[in-house]
Amino acid sequence: ETGVTQTPRHLVMGMTNKKSLKCEQHLGHNAMYWYKQSAKKPLELMFVYSLEERVENNSVPSRFSPECPNSSHLFLHLHTLQPEDSALYLCASSQEPSGVNEQFFGPGTRLTVL
Amino acid sequence: GQNIDQPTEMTATEGAIVQINCTYQTSGFNGLFWYQQHAGEAPTFLSYNVLDGLEEKGRFSSFLSRSKGYSYLLLKELQMKDSASYLCAVLDSNYQLIWGAGTKLIIKP
Repeated sequence: ETGVTQTPRHLVMGMTNKKSLKCEQHLGHNAMYWYKQSAKKPLELMFVYSLEERVENNSVPSRFSPECPNSSHLFLHLHTLQPEDSALYLCASSQEPSGVNEQFFGPGTRLTVL
Repeated sequence: GQNIDQPTEMTATEGAIVQINCTYQTSGFNGLFWYQQHAGEAPTFLSYNVLDGLEEKGRFSSFLSRSKGYSYLLLKELQMKDSASYLCAVLDSNYQLIWGAGTKLIIKP
C-alpha cells in the first residue's frame, strides 16, 4: 500500500449504530487530519493530530470521537449520528502540522446516515 | 470572519485555456494552496504560493497577489482529464488551512 488509505470506502448506518472509520498513512508523516466534505461546501477540519497528540478540535460534536494510536493510524469512532452527518470523510497526513507542507489525502469514506 | 471565494462552476473547451480565480479574506497569510479533486477521489496537491507572482508547472500555473488577496490557477491546453473540482485554500496566521468550496471545471470536446 502506498500513500493514504481509508476503510471502508462506503458506509451506511442507522442513527443508533456505532461504527469506526480507519485511516492509515504509509508516508512517514507525523501529522494526521480528519475532514468532513459536504456537497458544495468548503472542507471542514474536524481533528488534527501531531505526534499522536490531538492539537485541534474545532468544536466537533461529541458523537465523533477520534483516536490516534500511533503516527501511522487514525480512527474516527461514530455513534448516534444524525442524518446531517452524511458526507464524505477525508483523512490526510503531512510532515509536521504547521500547514506549510502539502497534505496528502486518502480517497475518503462516503457516509450515509439513515 | 475568514472567507475564501471562488466560482462554483466553469465550463471550457478542450485545447483552450481557463483561469480559475480565488479571492480571500483571512486573519494573516502564510501561503495559498491549489488542489485538484476528481469526482469520487482524493484531493491532490497542485501548487503552493507564498510570494507574489506567477509560478509555472507544466500546463498549470498559479498566480498570487497578496496586496489584493487574490490568486488564480491557469490551465493551458485543456484535456478532458482536467475535468475536476479545483480547491483553493489559504494558510492563516495560526497555520490553519481555510478552504474554499471549490470550482467544478467542466471540459467539453
